[in-house]
Amino acid sequence: GENVEQHPSTLSVQEGDSAVIKCTYSDSASNYFPWYKQELGKRPQLIIDIRSNVGEKKDQRIAVTLNKTAKHFSLHITETQPEDSAVYFCAASDMEYGNKLVFGAGTILRVKS
Amino acid sequence: EAQVTQNPRYLITVTGKKLTVTCSQNMNHEYMSWYRQDPGLGLRQIYYSMNVEVTDKGDVPEGYKVSRKEKRNFPLILESPSPNQTSLYFCASSKGIFTGELFFGEGSRLTVL
Repeated sequence: GENVEQHPSTLSVQEGDSAVIKCTYSDSASNYFPWYKQELGKRPQLIIDIRSNVGEKKDQRIAVTLNKTAKHFSLHITETQPEDSAVYFCAASDMEYGNKLVFGAGTILRVKS
Repeated sequence: EAQVTQNPRYLITVTGKKLTVTCSQNMNHEYMSWYRQDPGLGLRQIYYSMNVEVTDKGDVPEGYKVSRKEKRNFPLILESPSPNQTSLYFCASSKGIFTGELFFGEGSRLTVL
């Protein structure tokens, strides 16, 4: 089955700087890669996703890039703000089982003002 | 308002005392799933359901049961809870695993003494 590794586990940046979180996956057949944001004490919420037929996707200050050859994808947040502080989870579809999303362990992002 | 509702939100119980965490969604979603969240381990899938009367195991199903008798409800049953089931539990639903975002409930924090 699919295995997703996420790095770093914690990331501190100064307000206004960029933040990058990277994930690698093991199953070359995986084709769907969402990112979820979980604020302290709240539920995870989808912030952006990408499918394997697309190399990059942007939504305002966030972007996701996908390298299928290397089997890794990354979340990029530009001009970070204090409200970006949260735990971010990447995930990948598990094509062997067809109906599962496998999540990474999460990255705690702290934006210092 | 579209939502996934879990109850109870907080529960402290003792080893061996059966408990049920209810989950209900009002979006007519076919897909529902249970996850547990533990520090450093991300979100791990317990069970999922593709539709009424269709359920299947996720990555960590031991010690849990589920049922899907109605489309909107997907309860999680712990027949004989043990301390290693102390965790934060999330129910989630979507139109389909690859057709849109997962909508999470607010979470249920369970402590087993």
